[in-house]
Amino acid sequence: DIHMTQSPSSLSASVGDRVSITCRASEKISTFLVWYQQKPGKAPNLLIYGASSLQGGAPSRFSASRSGTEFTLTINSLQPEDFATYYCQQSYRIPYTFGQGTRLEI
Amino acid sequence: QVQLVQSGAEVMKPGASMQVSCKASGYMFHTYYIHWVRQAPGQGPEWMGRFNPNGGATTYAQKFQGRLTVTGDTSSRTVYMDLSSLTPEDTAVYYCARGELLPLLDFWGQGTLITVSS
Repeated sequence: DIHMTQSPSSLSASVGDRVSITCRASEKISTFLVWYQQKPGKAPNLLIYGASSLQGGAPSRFSASRSGTEFTLTINSLQPEDFATYYCQQSYRIPYTFGQGTRLEI
Repeated sequence: QVQLVQSGAEVMKPGASMQVSCKASGYMFHTYYIHWVRQAPGQGPEWMGRFNPNGGATTYAQKFQGRLTVTGDTSSRTVYMDLSSLTPEDTAVYYCARGELLPLLDFWGQGTLITVSS
């Protein structure tokens, strides 16, 4: 299975900050990488697909990039509603594995 | 609007089988796959498998081969996920989600908590 490693596992920030979350794949996955946001008690919400394409309806302060097998999600000017847990998922090979998550806290 | 409505929470005994249903509405049912994802308490999500309503083809993660079965009823726009030989490690929230062949999961059900306990 492809192993996805996220860092950091948790992150404290303030409203207005710019933060970045990293996800590293254990092998090449091209741009088959998806980012989700999850709030407590809710289903994940699709933010980014194809490593860097913003899902329709997702705020433009979210952006993402890829460098080899390392992927980065960046949130510019954090808003109160952005405090959540973020997961990456590879969609390159079955089983489509997720990272362990990054909890973004105030 | 697109909606996926799942069946309610259940408590199961070890060794039993469970079924979760997922009723879709608000879009052309045949044109999207339904994926199943579970999330154990405090853990990241785990992809289990997918169902193609257009023909009924299924694909499962190797981990669940032999005890996971996903079926669908196109007349009622409902997909069913059956998991057998339950153990406490199967305690999780189970989600259905709409996607394509690849898991770009844009709409999710509300989740169904399955607790496996003696």
